[in-house]
Amino acid sequence: DQQVKQNSPSLSVQEGRISILNCDYTNSMFDYFLWYKKYPAEGPTFLISISSIKDKNEDGRFTVFLNKSAKHLSLHIVPSQPGDSAVYFCAATRVISKLTFGKGITLSVRP
Amino acid sequence: NAGVTQTPKFQVLKTGQSMTLQCAQDMNHNSMYWYRQDPGMGLRLIYYSASEGTTDKGEVPNGYNVSRLNKREFSLRLESAAPSQTSVYFCATLRADTQYFGPGTRLTVL
Repeated sequence: DQQVKQNSPSLSVQEGRISILNCDYTNSMFDYFLWYKKYPAEGPTFLISISSIKDKNEDGRFTVFLNKSAKHLSLHIVPSQPGDSAVYFCAATRVISKLTFGKGITLSVRP
Repeated sequence: NAGVTQTPKFQVLKTGQSMTLQCAQDMNHNSMYWYRQDPGMGLRLIYYSASEGTTDKGEVPNGYNVSRLNKREFSLRLESAAPSQTSVYFCATLRADTQYFGPGTRLTVL
């Protein structure tokens, strides 16, 4: 039973355009959501998060949107840069000590 | 300040061999975690430790044991390695609302 779903395995975007990475969850008890970025041969690094009491959180080029009624969140990267090419994991939790991760999506930003 | 370190970076084992993956952190965090990452499977929690001396099972604990002897170190042991345990293993710590990951150990079991 996959509780956090990233249904698209990959996304390719032109440099300077917007990248939109989607994530769906099934457990309505989740109340905190995170995005992690992972380069090859490195560990995941925290990117941005959002609490269920908010519907948007912004940090520079990165914005996360949360739609609780649809159990959906998305990560927007504007403008996309070649250095953004990585695997992005969506994660969700009810108790922050235990994260449930999605399978990840590979973003490729074309120069 | 090295953050989270893992040793070894790479390891090849034969089926049935045992080994211990080491994780250490210098951030003085209480909680530590072991994950495995497999292609198309995301990150799955093996075991975690909320504090020194305590450990709990995660999503995929079978075939593994852990030890949290002190606040800094959290080890993962494979007593009898199986090919299904071929994976990349990540250790992580928790501060506030964020987990911090080590660089990973790539393990191949033949």
